[in-house]
Order: sequence, then structure tokens, then C-alpha cells
Amino acid sequence: GQQVMQIPQYQHVQEGEDFTTYCNSSTTLSNIQWYKQRPGGHPVFLIQLVKSGEVKKQKRLTFQFGEAKKNSSLHITATQTTDVGTYFCAGPSTDSWGKFQFGAGTQVVVTP
Amino acid sequence: DTGVSQDPRHKITKRGQNVTFRCDPISEHNRLYWYRQTLGQGPEFLTYFQNEAQLEKSRLLSDRFSAERPKGSFSTLEIQRTEQGDSAMYLCASSFPGLAGDYNEQFFGPGTRLTVL
Repeated sequence: GQQVMQIPQYQHVQEGEDFTTYCNSSTTLSNIQWYKQRPGGHPVFLIQLVKSGEVKKQKRLTFQFGEAKKNSSLHITATQTTDVGTYFCAGPSTDSWGKFQFGAGTQVVVTP
Repeated sequence: DTGVSQDPRHKITKRGQNVTFRCDPISEHNRLYWYRQTLGQGPEFLTYFQNEAQLEKSRLLSDRFSAERPKGSFSTLEIQRTEQGDSAMYLCASSFPGLAGDYNEQFFGPGTRLTVL
């Protein structure tokens, strides 16, 4: 079945550094969504990408959808302590409408 | 507060007991999702409603799990004969259709944490 994989699983970042987390799907996606979950919280929507090669920016966050629509990335510049949390990507299932497949997430820890 | 609400926030039960959780979505959202999340994992899809119709149910879900959404408003998730492996955070999310019925962002509730002893 369809799989959504994220790497790395864990990212330890020094405050002020940049980092990138990656999301890969075993099948082509119609769109991809990114969520952030703070420790003890629930997932909060960040962005949705729909077009092949699409790039969207939210302040220090840059999201990209691959040309083949099978992968995506989230790049954070000048990491801050407020970036702490787990970042998930999610894509709609290709074999059943309405079902969303989430990756296992990248847990980000920021050291001041 | 006009966000997604879930009740109860915490539930401790003994193995073999039945439990029921409730989710109240954002009022104008006709799509409602149930997910299960365990430590270190992403939300795992359980089931999906569009209005009152349950359109999809995970094949991973055993027959002990059932969900309803009467009148297309709130939803309940029942787990019968709970097992220790059912211990997890149960998340509800709602959304409204995007353009041409496509997907839109999901708004998650705070979740119900289930502990089965």
C-alpha cells in the first residue's frame, strides 16, 4: 500500500542554524500537507502544496513539492526555540478517497 | 471557542471495558476524520465521514471499533472490549471541501488520551 516516509526522524539543531526535513511518498500525490505538533499538543496545519514543483514560503519556512509530486521538503532558516516540535507531512491515499496518510514525523529539538 | 472539541480529554479504563469518545467539529465543516496516534508516530487514519455518511474505514481497524456521525454534526467513536494495545491518543479533525471537492486543511481537536490497564 501507499507509504509516506519522513527523514530524518529526529533533528537536533543549534539555534540560528538552518535545517531541512524530507517527505517521500511511494505513490504520486495530488497534494501534500504539512502539520506541526508542539510537545503535548495536537497537529496544526501549516501549508498545502498542490502543483508540481511548487514552492511556498512562510517567514522562515520554505516548503517545496517535487516535480514528480512524490516528495516534498520543509526548510527552516535561522531556527528559533519556537520551532520546537514534530513536523508531519500528509498526503491523500491513492486507493481510497478521503483517507489521509501521515508520515512518522521529524522531531525537532532546538538548543539555545 | 469555535474550534474542534473532544470529550473526554483523558480516559482510563480496564481491559475488556467499552469506551466512547465524542468529537464536535467546527460547525460548517462537513468532513470529519478520526485518527489514532501513539508515541513517536504520526496520526494513523481510522475513519472518515462526509456529512453523516461514513465513506472510509481503515482496514487496520478491528470490528471492535465503530464510529457514527448522526445528522452530520458531532461524532462518536466507540471501542468495545478494550485491549492494552488500544492505549493511544485518539484525535478528531474536521475540514470543509476545497475547490472541486478537493482536500482542504484539517483542524484537529485536542484529542482523547486512552489508557487501558
